[in-house]
Amino acid sequence: EDQVTQSPEALRLQEGESSSLNCSYTVSGLRGLFWYRQDPGKGPEFLFTLYSAGEEKEKERLKATLTKKESFLHITAPKPEDSATYLCAVQAPGRRALTFGSGTRLQVQP
Amino acid sequence: EAQVTQNPRYLITVTGKKLTVTCSQNMNHEYMSWYRQDPGLGLRQIYYSMNVEVTDKGDVPEGYKVSRKEKRNFPLILESPSPNQTSLYFCATTDVYNEQFFGPGTRLTVL
Repeated sequence: EDQVTQSPEALRLQEGESSSLNCSYTVSGLRGLFWYRQDPGKGPEFLFTLYSAGEEKEKERLKATLTKKESFLHITAPKPEDSATYLCAVQAPGRRALTFGSGTRLQVQP
Repeated sequence: EAQVTQNPRYLITVTGKKLTVTCSQNMNHEYMSWYRQDPGLGLRQIYYSMNVEVTDKGDVPEGYKVSRKEKRNFPLILESPSPNQTSLYFCATTDVYNEQFFGPGTRLTVL
């Protein structure tokens, strides 16, 4: 059974204080690993897809990396507008459905 | 503007009273799905559809039905809702690059 575990559950940072969110996964083969951002009262918003170990993708202050067992979402010099819940999901070969983690709730204080 | 819309956004109902949550997309995507989101459990897929008239069960299909008569619409039907179906529901589409687009969500409370 595919499993995704995200840590920490919640993270409070000061503005400018860089940190990383972790996503550990167990899947029989990996078709793709996805990161989403979810704001309160809204649907998840797509950030990145990673397909193979060693791959990295960046968008503004966010950088996602992937190994064979986990992915990290690095947040560099965060701003209050980066406050949100960040969701990780994996997709197994032959399946269109995603298996999601429970998310990391990030709060960035000014 | 490319979007996924859901209606209603909020619904309070009673056990056993049939309801339908509508989902519509304007991106011409073939693949659509429904998820429910519960605290500590993450998003779980209920049903999906690969194209018109093609639907299949996801991970938690019990108590739900769907239909796909048109490409743009994918309604979720609860024929006899129960309190354990109280949840936040999301409709999503997937494009050819495997990127998912989620609707704004429907918060359902079953008393």
